[in-house]
Amino acid sequence: QSALTQPASVSGSPGQAITISCTGTSTDIDDSDYVSWYQQHPGKAPKLLNHGVRNRPSGVSDRFSASKSGNTASLTISGLQPEDEAAYFCASYTRRNTVVFGGGTKLTVL
Amino acid sequence: QLQLVQSGAQVKKPGASVKVSCKALGYTSGPYNINWVRQAPGQGLEWIGGKFHDRVTMTTDTSTRTAYLELRSLTSDDTATYYCAEGSGLSGRHWFDPWGQGTPVTVSS
Repeated sequence: QSALTQPASVSGSPGQAITISCTGTSTDIDDSDYVSWYQQHPGKAPKLLNHGVRNRPSGVSDRFSASKSGNTASLTISGLQPEDEAAYFCASYTRRNTVVFGGGTKLTVL
Repeated sequence: QLQLVQSGAQVKKPGASVKVSCKALGYTSGPYNINWVRQAPGQGLEWIGGKFHDRVTMTTDTSTRTAYLELRSLTSDDTATYYCAEGSGLSGRHWFDPWGQGTPVTVSS
């Protein structure tokens, strides 16, 4: 199964909002209620930011919000802060009972 | 609160096997669903599942709350950091939280 498609990099200035897209196919994102997003700082383990679009774990800032339309999921980060600089990964549970991740997006806060 | 603690870094030769452990701390009841995800240097995340089935064995010792990943017939392509993560949802893999700290595995002759 091919990885979900994410832009390699995005950037924004402090206070701005950015959106990271994650494109899949009819057998994963388009067919799944279970898309999740992870943040990974260099040398650290990934951290869950959001799952199932509406679900944000306790402790995760409400500046992080997710959406999904068809075979594309999106993560929006509003009010960018320097500590948001990290890699972001999407993932989707698939109809084959497997999980596929996106290739990751490096966010630079200018 | 659940915390996953993994074993330390390992260096293996091509063709060898590696076994990584993941101990669940602070969890007073089960069951739990440990998944494994790997990340090659500078690359993205890869769920360890179907395509590895002939080289992978995943086991769990419930008495010690420790999960194990064994990967056989290693090649340089298996050089990566291996993470365990608790899977949630009906399938046990709808989303992953928390994650272990990662175990670097280097395959080199």
